[in-house]
Amino acid sequence: QKEVEQNSGPLSVPEGAIASLNCTYSDRVSQSFFWYRQYSGKSPELIMSIYSNGDKEDGRFTAQLNKASQYVSLLIRDSQPSDSATYLCAPIGSNDYKLSFGAGTTVTVRA
Amino acid sequence: EPEVTQTPSHQVTQMGQEVILRCVPISNHLYFYWYRQILGQKVEFLVSFYNNEISEKSEIFDDQFSVERPDGSNFTLKIRSTKLEDSAMYFCASSLDRASNQPQHFGDGTRLSIL
Repeated sequence: QKEVEQNSGPLSVPEGAIASLNCTYSDRVSQSFFWYRQYSGKSPELIMSIYSNGDKEDGRFTAQLNKASQYVSLLIRDSQPSDSATYLCAPIGSNDYKLSFGAGTTVTVRA
Repeated sequence: EPEVTQTPSHQVTQMGQEVILRCVPISNHLYFYWYRQILGQKVEFLVSFYNNEISEKSEIFDDQFSVERPDGSNFTLKIRSTKLEDSAMYFCASSLDRASNQPQHFGDGTRLSIL
């Protein structure tokens, strides 16, 4: 059973601040890591993917991966009220192709 | 931008009845999935489908569930005899191929309510 743990929320940040989301995973053979955003009552929407150790930036989002520590994070810079959602961490292994979702961290950006 | 489409958006069914949820994956994608999310819980994998056969299935995907690609565009999930605990959002997803670095794109989901 693959375990994916995310920092418990809810996380409340003021508009313009940085939101920091953390995720640890138990499966050492996980190869790829995806961050999805899920608005209430909606489907998961892919926002970032990361495959190699280090940082990957895409607009206001930065993903960080440390495979040795089995840790992946997501930073949201200049947070906007539209960023208010639940963020799901989802590793995928090299032997199977199913996403193992964490419970998610709910972010609320205060205007 | 191409997207995964699911129908219906909401399905209400009596317990014990059969239900079929429909999905049209992105046209050039080859790998298809069903996930479900019970209200307030995490998204759970049900089944993956590739080359007209099931690639992997979870413990949830028991004999009551089946998947089919009846034609070149549709991908369906059938629940033969629904139970109250089948009430959930069901998401279809697709990816370009089965490489682990290929992202899965989700449809808007079908909300299944069992009475």
